[in-house]
Amino acid sequence: EIVMTQSPATLSVSPGERATLSCRASQSVSSNLAWYQQKPGQAPRLLIYGASTRATGIPARFSGSGSGTEFTLTISSLQSEDFAVYYCQQYNNWPPAFGPGTKVDIK
Amino acid sequence: QVQLQQSGPGLVKPSQTLSLTCAISGDSVSSNSAAWNWIRQSPSRGLEWLGRTYYRSKWYNDYAVSVKSRITINPDTSKNQFSLQLNSVTPEDTAVYYCARDSGGKDWYFDLWGRGTLVTVSS
Repeated sequence: EIVMTQSPATLSVSPGERATLSCRASQSVSSNLAWYQQKPGQAPRLLIYGASTRATGIPARFSGSGSGTEFTLTISSLQSEDFAVYYCQQYNNWPPAFGPGTKVDIK
Repeated sequence: QVQLQQSGPGLVKPSQTLSLTCAISGDSVSSNSAAWNWIRQSPSRGLEWLGRTYYRSKWYNDYAVSVKSRITINPDTSKNQFSLQLNSVTPEDTAVYYCARDSGGKDWYFDLWGRGTLVTVSS
């Protein structure tokens, strides 16, 4: 099974600043990588699929890049509503697997 | 607007069966372009995919190895919903359980989620 890791575990960022989150797969997942945002008490929300395609209704400040084993989620200018936990998920191999998450909090 | 509405008890005794239901509105459990999943989340295990059911001329099920001997996911076409049964639960099964939709094909990401149900396993 593929193991997903994310770094850092916590990222402290000021509003308006750029945030860069990393996700790594234990073996190649091609571009079959999704990103989710989760706020306290809520279900995860799909942000990005196919490593770089924004889901419906997701603002352009969210962008994804990478392929193979290394992926990045960038939030270009953090808004107050973006402080949350972000998860990556591979779907290239069975079973689908999530990373442990990166918490983005206010600096 | 497509929605998933979860229901079921929040407290289950050890060794008993955890049962949850996910009612679908705005889509069909029999859709040929969707699959219907159960995912759980706990501090110790993170987000863990448990299994799914989907219809492609016939019904298919797919279960995670970690729960395969204990899990059943069933569609209910008359009510347009699907259910999760997890047998012989222990405190390690305490988690928030989510139902979720994926495309059912190779794009196995989850574009729609239920709100989640906290299930505590305790006597």
